[in-house]
Amino acid sequence: DGGITQSPKYLFRKEGQNVTLSCEQNLNHDAMYWYRQDPGQGLRLIYYSQIVNDFQKGDIAEGYSVSREKKESFPLTVTSAQKNPTAFYLCASITGGAEAFFGQGTRLTVV
Amino acid sequence: KQEVTQIPAALSVPEGENLVLNCSFTDSAIYNLQWFRQDPGKGLTSLLLIQSSQREQTSGRLNASLDKSSGRSTLYIAASQPGDSATYLCAVRPGSNDYKLSFGAGTTVTVRA
Repeated sequence: DGGITQSPKYLFRKEGQNVTLSCEQNLNHDAMYWYRQDPGQGLRLIYYSQIVNDFQKGDIAEGYSVSREKKESFPLTVTSAQKNPTAFYLCASITGGAEAFFGQGTRLTVV
Repeated sequence: KQEVTQIPAALSVPEGENLVLNCSFTDSAIYNLQWFRQDPGKGLTSLLLIQSSQREQTSGRLNASLDKSSGRSTLYIAASQPGDSATYLCAVRPGSNDYKLSFGAGTTVTVRA
């Protein structure tokens, strides 16, 4: 089945550690996104990519990094510079004038 | 910068009542608008996509309208059921070559049995 797969579902990070969240899609979509969701708040855009080997910062990019080496993959690294990383992270993809599709999310917790 | 607002933030209705969810946006120059459903701890599920040239879109008990000039969209859910309990979000896309989506904070719906 076509869709977006995020892994892992749960992730724990120690202080000062970098962690990478995986996002893979088999929909042949051009654009991919990373959003952060905090309790009671809407989705905030971290990074997005409209084509391979190119990406743009969203509204809250500080402390995060991404790469887009393949059309299917858009991993997000949460670096030690992100001081409050505990949140629910959502990956999405879209192409043309069609609807956006979302993965099932990764819940990141600092321990 | 596009601002998307959803009011009310929360809504509780008895089963069988029709639901009306509102979404407003500040910049009327949009390409399309999409409604999503989110269950607790889950990702977003697409419900309806309305292109800027459309006035409404329907799927089963769901109907979404779009008034681009006034910056509003409304999602109607007919004959609500407890299974409709979830958070509903709207998102707008600015242009055909701009894939950046702006989201509202959502309306959390509870349908009481």
